Amino acid sequence: QKEVEQNSGPLSVPEGAIASLNCTYSDRVSQSFFWYRQYSGKSPELIMSIYSNGDKEDGRFTAQLNKASQYVSLLIRDSQPSDSATYLCAVKDGATNKLIFGTGTLLAVQP
Amino acid sequence: SAVISQKPSRDICQRGTSLTIQCQVDSQVTMMFWYRQQPGQSLTLIATANQGSEATYESGFVIDKFPISRPNLTFSTLTVSNMSPEDSSIYLCSVDGGTEETQYFGPGTRLLVL
Repeated sequence: QKEVEQNSGPLSVPEGAIASLNCTYSDRVSQSFFWYRQYSGKSPELIMSIYSNGDKEDGRFTAQLNKASQYVSLLIRDSQPSDSATYLCAVKDGATNKLIFGTGTLLAVQP
Repeated sequence: SAVISQKPSRDICQRGTSLTIQCQVDSQVTMMFWYRQQPGQSLTLIATANQGSEATYESGFVIDKFPISRPNLTFSTLTVSNMSPEDSSIYLCSVDGGTEETQYFGPGTRLLVL
């Protein structure tokens, strides 16, 4: 059973701090990795995708991928209360091309 | 990214009845997916729907309970049949991103079964 694991949280950070969200996955063949943000009562919204080892930056968001360690993370700089949401890590199954989702990490940014 | 709409956005149903959820996309897409998200849980894939072929169901989901139609490249329906309170959930339609690797989600249908 291919798995994607995340700490469920809640992860509480003060406004302006860096929030660090982590995800590990079991499928060594996976090549595509995604972070979705889901506000309460809303559907998931894609915020970052990453395919190569290293860092990928987009505004206040940085995704980091280490395929050797089977680890992907999301850093949110200058966290804002509006960043408070559940962050879902998703990994594309290398064999079936289906997305496998983690259980999500609830982030709470305290004003 | 594609613009996806779902109908209804929410519904309250009696046990034993069926509900059909519609998913409409503003562009042609090859693959459409149906997910369930139970309260406080992550997303569980129900089935993959390709136009012109039978839907492919994940383990634990069967066609008699969740029949799916995919009549064209912009539309799909999911029916939740013979509902019980355990079917209370959010049902989400998603589509593949074409040249992108990811999926985009519709707004979801919030179903409560009494």
